[in-house]
Amino acid sequence: ETGVTQSPTHLIKTRGQQVTLRCSSQSGHNTVSWYQQALGQGPQFIFQYYREEENGRGNFPPRFSGLQFPNYSSELNVNALELDDSALYLCASSLGPLQETQYFGPGTRLLVL
Amino acid sequence: KQEVTQIPAALSVPEGENLVLNCSFTDSAIYNLQWFRQDPGKGLTSLLLIQSSQREQTSGRLNASLDKSSGRSTLYIAASQPGDSATYLCAVEGETSGSRLTFGEGTQLTVNP
Repeated sequence: ETGVTQSPTHLIKTRGQQVTLRCSSQSGHNTVSWYQQALGQGPQFIFQYYREEENGRGNFPPRFSGLQFPNYSSELNVNALELDDSALYLCASSLGPLQETQYFGPGTRLLVL
Repeated sequence: KQEVTQIPAALSVPEGENLVLNCSFTDSAIYNLQWFRQDPGKGLTSLLLIQSSQREQTSGRLNASLDKSSGRSTLYIAASQPGDSATYLCAVEGETSGSRLTFGEGTQLTVNP
């Protein structure tokens, strides 16, 4: 069974640019959640996708957007990057949207200069 | 709004010691509480998930308890080893917060040989 994978592992961008991060969910999982973790902080919920539809969103501006594909893999897109967007971006997959263990990927480290 | 607090923020112990990590949450209307381990710069590894109807869960040297009414959970690590050194995060899935996990800021544990 393949675990959750994310790409790329590291990324450097400059302010104002756009970035796309990718996540492949664990086999059999139809739900993907995205989290942002700033250095020294706990992860903050960005949004969740369930069967290709957004199913809940945290306190993040609209320039954070996402997609989920028919194979349940997912993308996180961030437009107009700001310095404060520098963080570890984590995705997690689960068997369903509620009351299921979330299995996390290794994360993508984004640095915005 | 759910808030999760973890005490202490950092802990350094000699190898072999038994230790307790604490987690508290402000809204007791939760579906479950989950403990994670995070190695530096890495993703999260799920350790234990306790459903709201359960009092405790055990896995090897780890035991997690949940007192939902008082908004508290503890993670007990028996006979600590240097390989246990990591940041431990607790997260709750709230009944009114949809599918998101709300995390504490973590306890950074160092086990010295």
